[in-house]
Amino acid sequence: EPEVTQTPSHQVTQMGQEVILRCVPISNHLYFYWYRQILGQKVEFLVSFYNNEISEKSEIFDDQFSVERPDGSNFTLKIRSTKLEDSAMYFCASSLDLNEKLFFGSGTQLSVL
Amino acid sequence: DQQVKQNSPSLSVQEGRISILNCDYTNSMFDYFLWYKKYPAEGPTFLISISSIKDKNEDGRFTVFLNKSAKHLSLHIVPSQPGDSAVYFCAATSRFNFGNEKLTFGTGTRLTIIP
Repeated sequence: EPEVTQTPSHQVTQMGQEVILRCVPISNHLYFYWYRQILGQKVEFLVSFYNNEISEKSEIFDDQFSVERPDGSNFTLKIRSTKLEDSAMYFCASSLDLNEKLFFGSGTQLSVL
Repeated sequence: DQQVKQNSPSLSVQEGRISILNCDYTNSMFDYFLWYKKYPAEGPTFLISISSIKDKNEDGRFTVFLNKSAKHLSLHIVPSQPGDSAVYFCAATSRFNFGNEKLTFGTGTRLTIIP
């Protein structure tokens, strides 16, 4: 079964550093998403991406965050200057269409020290 | 601002019995509800969904019930199996406005099936 792939599985960084989290969505999917889960809290929507532009974003997704689809297969989340509170599990997801179910990757655990 | 609440952080059920996981929501704009299952070190996996025009949806051992007036939904698993042990997330969206783009999740319930 096709799956969403995320790399790396763990990322440790110093506060103030830039990080890029990478995702390979399912190949024929059109919508791409980033969600995150801070330890002990709920999974939160960050951003959705369609047709090479942001479709929706949450209030969490401020100017420190950006997303990009640099080529036909990768989808990245960049955090420009990481803060301690950015420590979380970041999930990438994709869906075939707007009303189709989301397929999630296994996540990248980001630890900001 | 917890628009989707799962008040039971954990639940233990004997194998073969019924597991009932509950979820409450506050946002009247939600019109589509989903349940996701998550194993350790994996991402959430879609389980079952229900539209607000229905009050029940069944898929094999899994049934989701929706009570719109109470803003409450529940997931029933019958019979429960050891492989059902996982964290279950309730999620909701205003499909009319966002499709499935902007899911609002609950905090999850850890289900443990006791052999």
